[in-house]
Amino acid sequence: AQSVTQLDSQVPVFEEAPVELRCNYSSSVSVYLFWYVQYPNQGLQLLLKYLSGSTLVKGINGFEAEFNKSQTSFHLRKPSVHISDTAEYFCAVSRNSGNTPLVFGKGTRLSVIA
Amino acid sequence: GAVVSQHPSRVICKSGTSVKIECRSLDFQATTMFWYRQFPKKSLMLMATSNEGSKATYEQGVEKDKFLINHASLTLSTLTVTSAHPEDSSFYICSARTSGSGTGELFFGEGSRLTVL
Repeated sequence: AQSVTQLDSQVPVFEEAPVELRCNYSSSVSVYLFWYVQYPNQGLQLLLKYLSGSTLVKGINGFEAEFNKSQTSFHLRKPSVHISDTAEYFCAVSRNSGNTPLVFGKGTRLSVIA
Repeated sequence: GAVVSQHPSRVICKSGTSVKIECRSLDFQATTMFWYRQFPKKSLMLMATSNEGSKATYEQGVEKDKFLINHASLTLSTLTVTSAHPEDSSFYICSARTSGSGTGELFFGEGSRLTVL
């Protein structure tokens, strides 16, 4: 089975400052890794994903994440945040084979302060 | 990207009534859909895997007689909350992959907020 730990439940940051949202995972098999964003009362939107290849993946809205297999981490970063980035961010993992569901972390609430 | 649509987005019902939530894949066929439940300020909990033409697979602790899932076609899965009670109030989200997808990505519906009075 897979599991995901998001180390910070809330991250406040000033506008235009950099941010890192941490994610660690556990799995006995190879996995795919994802970051999703959720705005209030909405579904989830994919920010980026790691399937294979380059460990640094770039996503939408200026976000990027780096897969570190030895540390079983997939931290999300953005060099300069905007007010509009205020939202809930979920890290997720799935097996890299079969039509299997995603397992989500508990989420990190990013609050960007003007 | 692929589009998954849910209806209704919000529903309020009286305790004891049943509520049906629809999940449609608009531009692709989905043999499998996943239903999640999200409690306030908490993560998404997988409730069940909906399989077209066969019975759904429920996660441990999810009452299958309470949460009826029907996946009658390749583009529609429904979740019926039977005899709803206030503790069933939650945000329900469905998701699916495009068939044979090697991308691993799940596409999510907009969610349905159920409030049971």
